[in-house]
Parts: sequence; C-alpha cells; structure tokens
Amino acid sequence: DAGITQSPRHKVTETGTPVTLRCHQTENHRYMYWYRQDPGHGLRLIHYSYGVKDTDKGEVSDGYSVSRSKTEDFLLTLESATSSQTSVYFCAISGHMIGARNAEAFFGQGTRLTVV
Amino acid sequence: DAKTTQPPSMDCAEGRAANLPCNHSTISGNEYVYWYRQIHSQGPQYIIHGLKNNETNEMASLIITEDRKSSTLILPHATLRDTAVYYCIVKKSNDYKLSFGAGTTVTVRA
Repeated sequence: DAGITQSPRHKVTETGTPVTLRCHQTENHRYMYWYRQDPGHGLRLIHYSYGVKDTDKGEVSDGYSVSRSKTEDFLLTLESATSSQTSVYFCAISGHMIGARNAEAFFGQGTRLTVV
Repeated sequence: DAKTTQPPSMDCAEGRAANLPCNHSTISGNEYVYWYRQIHSQGPQYIIHGLKNNETNEMASLIITEDRKSSTLILPHATLRDTAVYYCIVKKSNDYKLSFGAGTTVTVRA
C-alpha cells in the first residue's frame, strides 16, 4: 500500500465544534486531495493541493478549509461541524499531473466522521 | 471532462472473465481513460489507464475502441475478492482533479 495515513479513522463530534482531519504521506507526492463519500452521491472532491501552500477548491468545498504547510501533511478542517458533514472522508495522493504516464492516485483508508 | 456511462451493476461467475463496459462518446484527444475500483469500506484503488492503445497489467486489460468513444475493462479470471464498485473516469491530461461517477457494482459469484 502507498504510504498514506489518515487520522483519526473514526470520530464522533457535536454540531458546531471544529474538527480537523489529517492526511499524512510518506511518498513525497506533490498532489493531495480530500474527498467525501455519501450514499447516493459517490465520491466528491472537497479540496486539493498541488504543492506546499498551494490549494484549490473542489466541487463541495463550502464549510471546509484545508492547509498544507509541508509536503507530507494535508489537513482538512470543518470550522463548525454540521450534521450534513457526516460522511466518510478519503485522502488521496498523486505523484504526477493527472493524465500523464504513472499518474495514478492512491487513496487512504478513510475517516468516518459522525456529527451529532 | 468527458462524461462516462456505465451499467449500474453486473454479475460474474468466479473464474470467468469479467468485461466491464464504459461509454465516453464526448472524449477529446487529450483525455485519458482511467479505471479504479472500490472494495466495500475501503479507499478506491487504481487499476489501469490508457489513451489510445490497449493496455494490460497484472490486474486487468483495458481495451479502447479505435474511435475512443468506448472502452472495456477486462478482469481475466474474476475472483470473489474482485467484488467491488468499478469506476471509469475520463481525465484531461492537464487537470489535477479526479471526478468519480456512480460506477458499476460488480458481484462475483461462486
């Protein structure tokens, strides 16, 4: 398996509290992504990063912020968690620009977040 | 990115080849075809990708039609562990993002 670690793997939090999910990689890959997966919606991109301190929004970025202060860590923060953010969150990494040879993305095992 | 169309589900007998179709009739010249799969509760796993030519690796073969409007992922000898959701994705070569559709739920039966 590619060296991706998501933490925590499971979390229950209360509505209105801040939550930070961490994605750590040991592959020195340039690109990192955060997805959420919900029944009936499949995988949806939240935010992605194309380098240290370089991030951009995905299709469902409202209510989320990200930071990448070093290559190996990509943090996803829910500033004030809501029940609609209950989901499974996946981090992914890629070493090359998508589309080029050997540009496959590797995914973490996921974080199951429940907001009550 | 070009839109893809996959059947929602299909069954396959263990030990037989599984042929998973994908239509991408609006694909453009610089878009690649990627296949990923997601086994229950796990993160998606890369399988294979291609541009024009057929590709084969240790997991599967990818057959792309000459007009590139459709492709087929072939699992040569399906096992029970191949039961998963399979995603066909078309990507521009200069786009960072990987967008997933609904995929095909493949069930391999003993």
